Amino acid sequence: AQSVAQPEDQVNVAEGNPLTVKCTYSVSGNPYLFWYVQYPNRGLQFLLKYITGDNLVKGSYGFEAEFNKSQTSFHLKKPSALVSDSALYFCAVRVIKAAGNKLTFGGGTRVLVKP
Amino acid sequence: SQTIHQWPATLVQPVGSPLSLECTVEGTSNPNLYWYRQAAGRGLQLLFYSVGIGQISSEVPQNLSASRPQDRQFILSSKKLLLSDSGFYLCAWSSSGRASYEQYFGPGTRLTVT
Repeated sequence: AQSVAQPEDQVNVAEGNPLTVKCTYSVSGNPYLFWYVQYPNRGLQFLLKYITGDNLVKGSYGFEAEFNKSQTSFHLKKPSALVSDSALYFCAVRVIKAAGNKLTFGGGTRVLVKP
Repeated sequence: SQTIHQWPATLVQPVGSPLSLECTVEGTSNPNLYWYRQAAGRGLQLLFYSVGIGQISSEVPQNLSASRPQDRQFILSSKKLLLSDSGFYLCAWSSSGRASYEQYFGPGTRLTVT
């Protein structure tokens, strides 16, 4: 069965510093990986995905993620965090051989960017 | 472009009352549709998904049901709400084609059962 783990419940970072949100996955076969962000009382917003190709994927709002097959990781990064990046971040993996593009989500990581 | 709507945005219902939440998608055809519940502002639980009209797959046994009466309409229902049904309900869609796999989420419905 596919699974993703986000080992940190919360990440605190000062504004202007680099931001990293960790995600590891377990899947048989090639993984399709996704990152989403959720602001309070809002739906999830799609940030980026890795399907195939370059290991460094660029997405919305200056975010990028690096796919590392040997470490089974897909960490989300931003070179310089903004206070407005404070939100809940979810990593997800597509469920293989399942109808309907089902995704399995991690438990989420809350990011707090302090001024 | 595609948009997804959910209503109502918030709902307060007494225990034992019925429930109907609606989700509609615009700008695409034959989407895959999903209902999630998010409790305590954290993890997402997939409740139902649908790959076509009248085709509903249930992920967890519960007090809820889903229906897809039209191609771009997805409804979440309950005959009698329980306190444990409180939460943030999210509808999502994805393309049924092979070009993309990501899901796109609606704004959500906050349900409080009292």
